[in-house]
Amino acid sequence: IAGITQAPTSQILAAGRRMTLRCTQDMRHNAMYWYRQDLGLGLRLIHYSNTAGTTGKGEVPDGYSVSRANTDDFPLTLASAVPSQTSVYFCASSDSPLTEAFFGQGTRLTVV
Amino acid sequence: KQEVTQIPAALSVPEGENLVLNCSFTDSAIYNLQWFRQDPGKGLTSLLLIQSSQREQTSGRLNASLDKSSGRSTLYIAASQPGDSATYLCAARSFSGGYNKLIFGAGTRLAVHP
Repeated sequence: IAGITQAPTSQILAAGRRMTLRCTQDMRHNAMYWYRQDLGLGLRLIHYSNTAGTTGKGEVPDGYSVSRANTDDFPLTLASAVPSQTSVYFCASSDSPLTEAFFGQGTRLTVV
Repeated sequence: KQEVTQIPAALSVPEGENLVLNCSFTDSAIYNLQWFRQDPGKGLTSLLLIQSSQREQTSGRLNASLDKSSGRSTLYIAASQPGDSATYLCAARSFSGGYNKLIFGAGTRLAVHP
């Protein structure tokens, strides 16, 4: 069982470019999340989805968008990347918003 | 607003020691508390989940306790090994800001030396 798969593993992106980070889970979890992890700031929630077809904004949603067309996939899009979006991005899922959360291995994004 | 604090920020111990990592949260109205391990450059691995109605959970050499009324959780690691070296994160699941979310502490960086 793969769990949560994120792609790419790492990326260097020119400022102003559009980028989609992919996240797929095979656990049939209803809830999915995107976090960013920055030194000194810890993990912060960007967007979440409690079930397929619904999404919501987290703590730091500006500059990011998500979609949840089906249960398994939860892509995160940066419409026009800026250097402050340099970070490590983690996708996570849980069966419900109240159960154990599982994380992917992360995408290290550098915006130059 | 829920805030989660972990003490100490870093810990270095000799192999074989029993140790305790601390996690405190400001709002006792949590749904559950989850402990994670993160190795350098890697993702988060779930270690233990304690529901708000539970007092403790155990998995192998790990034991996590929860005291909601005092806003504290501890992770006890028995007979520590060099392979336990990692950053340990706790996260409280709360309803805050209009939605249900995991709020993370900054982590405790543990080094176990032979």
